[in-house]
Amino acid sequence: DAKTTQPPSMDCAEGRAANLPCNHSTISGNEYVYWYRQIHSQGPQYIIHGLKNNETNEMASLIITEDRKSSTLILPHATLRDTAVYYCIVRVRRNTGNQFYFGTGTSLTVIP
Amino acid sequence: GAVVSQHPSRVICKSGTSVKIECRSLDFQATTMFWYRQFPKQSLMLMATSNEGSKATYEQGVEKDKFLINHASLTLSTLTVTSAHPEDSSFYICSALTGTGYQPQHFGDGTRLSIL
Repeated sequence: DAKTTQPPSMDCAEGRAANLPCNHSTISGNEYVYWYRQIHSQGPQYIIHGLKNNETNEMASLIITEDRKSSTLILPHATLRDTAVYYCIVRVRRNTGNQFYFGTGTSLTVIP
Repeated sequence: GAVVSQHPSRVICKSGTSVKIECRSLDFQATTMFWYRQFPKQSLMLMATSNEGSKATYEQGVEKDKFLINHASLTLSTLTVTSAHPEDSSFYICSALTGTGYQPQHFGDGTRLSIL
């Protein structure tokens, strides 16, 4: 049921911007895109979400294409602590309510 | 804000034991809670959706008699793994969602279950 695809892994130099892409070509008009990250053996941490406008918070920026079929999470100045698996998720509407299905995610390694 | 507490963080028990895992929303009311399972080096797999005061909705392939879910209040959901066996060993994670709009779900820190 995962509705998103992401590259399995990426490297980024410490201090540089990390740009993590996500494809969600089947997204519906009113479905939001959510980004989480998971550090080993912990629960996922919420990062940011958006519908169609670009969003920014203290952790990251989210750029959503005009056709909404893809998005990019930007960590402006990556640190070693940003090494984690990053998940892009689209909420799925069902009669029983809303569910969130995780894809395989992108394992980001920040290199010193 | 939006803190979800999961307890216990780690459980080791013998085969045949039933294990209960609690998921609490500490500073908000959670109309919906989700239970996920994660095997090593794999993504999270949704097991069930739990709405307060109603029966849980299980994903295809998840045995409802094996994984009992109770969501008796707006701040507490429990997952009971009944008669656990070694193949049930996994990382179980809950999340909670308020009923308001498109707010994100917030996750607990997970429970590492090891069945000997």
